[in-house]
Amino acid sequence: AQSVTQLGSHVSVSEGALVLLRCNYSSSVPPYLFWYVQYPNQGLQLLLKYTTGATLVKGINGFEAEFKKSETSFHLTKPSAHMSDAAEYFCAVSDASGNNRKLIWGLGTSLAVNP
Amino acid sequence: DAGVIQSPRHEVTEMGQEVTLRCKPISGHDYLFWYRQTMMRGLELLIYFNNNVPIDDSGMPEDRFSAKMPNASFSTLKIQPSEPRDSAVYFCASRSGHEQFFGPGTRLTVL
Repeated sequence: AQSVTQLGSHVSVSEGALVLLRCNYSSSVPPYLFWYVQYPNQGLQLLLKYTTGATLVKGINGFEAEFKKSETSFHLTKPSAHMSDAAEYFCAVSDASGNNRKLIWGLGTSLAVNP
Repeated sequence: DAGVIQSPRHEVTEMGQEVTLRCKPISGHDYLFWYRQTMMRGLELLIYFNNNVPIDDSGMPEDRFSAKMPNASFSTLKIQPSEPRDSAVYFCASRSGHEQFFGPGTRLTVL
């Protein structure tokens, strides 16, 4: 069975500081990995995804994540936080074999950006 | 494309009433997902469809919940009778390739 753990339900950073949101997964098959962002009172939207190929993945709004198989991690980073980055961030994993179309979701990390 | 469309955006009802939530997926997407989001339980998958056929409804909390997808452009999630613990934001998402596209959600309040 697949699972996702997001370390830290709340993260607070200062504007301009590094953003690091942690995600670890477990999967018995090669995973596809995703980060979604949810702004207040909105639905989720895709930030970035890893399927195959390069393990460092770049997404929208300056975010990137690195797939580390040995660490079963897919941490999300951004070099310099902006006030507009304040949102809820969700990590998710799916089955790369294609047999299971569901996404398994983490519980989310709420990011606060302080001026 | 207008994206995934959900209606209503807000619903306030009284316990015991029937509630119907509606979703129009993005044209051409062959998977449709219904989620429920609460502070206590986070994001929960309720049911998903492939080509209008329900594939996995193991997340549907109980028999009071039902979902249908009569055609590729429309799906409903019905709660009958509704209870206060059903209060949540309900999201519909449709899928293209590996990405799920979410609607804006329906905020349901059951008094």
